[in-house]
Amino acid sequence: EAGVTQFPSHSVIEKGQTVTLRCDPISGHDNLYWYRRVMGKEIKFLLHFVKESKQDESGMPNNRFLAERTGGTYSTLKVQPAELEDSGVYFCASSPSLTGGIEQFFGPGTRLTVL
Amino acid sequence: AQSVTQPDIHITVSEGASLELRCNYSYGATPYLFWYVQSPGQGLQLLLKYFSGDTLVQGIKGFEAEFKRSQSSFNLRKPSVHWSDAAEYFCAVGARQAGTALIFGKGTTLSVSS
Repeated sequence: EAGVTQFPSHSVIEKGQTVTLRCDPISGHDNLYWYRRVMGKEIKFLLHFVKESKQDESGMPNNRFLAERTGGTYSTLKVQPAELEDSGVYFCASSPSLTGGIEQFFGPGTRLTVL
Repeated sequence: AQSVTQPDIHITVSEGASLELRCNYSYGATPYLFWYVQSPGQGLQLLLKYFSGDTLVQGIKGFEAEFKRSQSSFNLRKPSVHWSDAAEYFCAVGARQAGTALIFGKGTTLSVSS
């Protein structure tokens, strides 16, 4: 069974540009999460989808970040326009349905560098 | 406020020596507790978890952790470290229900010397 995959693995962009990160969860997992780790800080929650619906987006830092999960499968996280402080590693995780288990399975992350 | 503290940013251990990584948490109620490991270029891999029952839990790769409610701690241990254990280790807590966000510590980087 394939794990959580993320694309790209690395992205280097200029301040003011737009970047879109993609996450493919484990097949059949209804729950999809985005987290971010800024250098030297904790991994912090950004938002949670249940299928295609945003269940909790309390961790989204501001309206420059837009997450979507069309059709309840893969998800994208767009940053527009990117700022220097957006640099970090963005992790995606998935878990089965709400009755299917607590464990979240993480992807390898996308390292975003904003210059 | 809910938080997880990993007081050691970086630890170096000799190969074959024992290891203990510390984790303390602040949470409204007893949470679910996790340890994840991230090796270079890899995603976060779950080492072990505590939900209930026996407070000493066994995980993969020979790791174990002990939940101490009175100390709000969940320290990770391994009796004999291997060079391949060099990685970054994260302690995390979550609410006792599916579909909630995990709260992570800042991580502890483990180096293994020969």
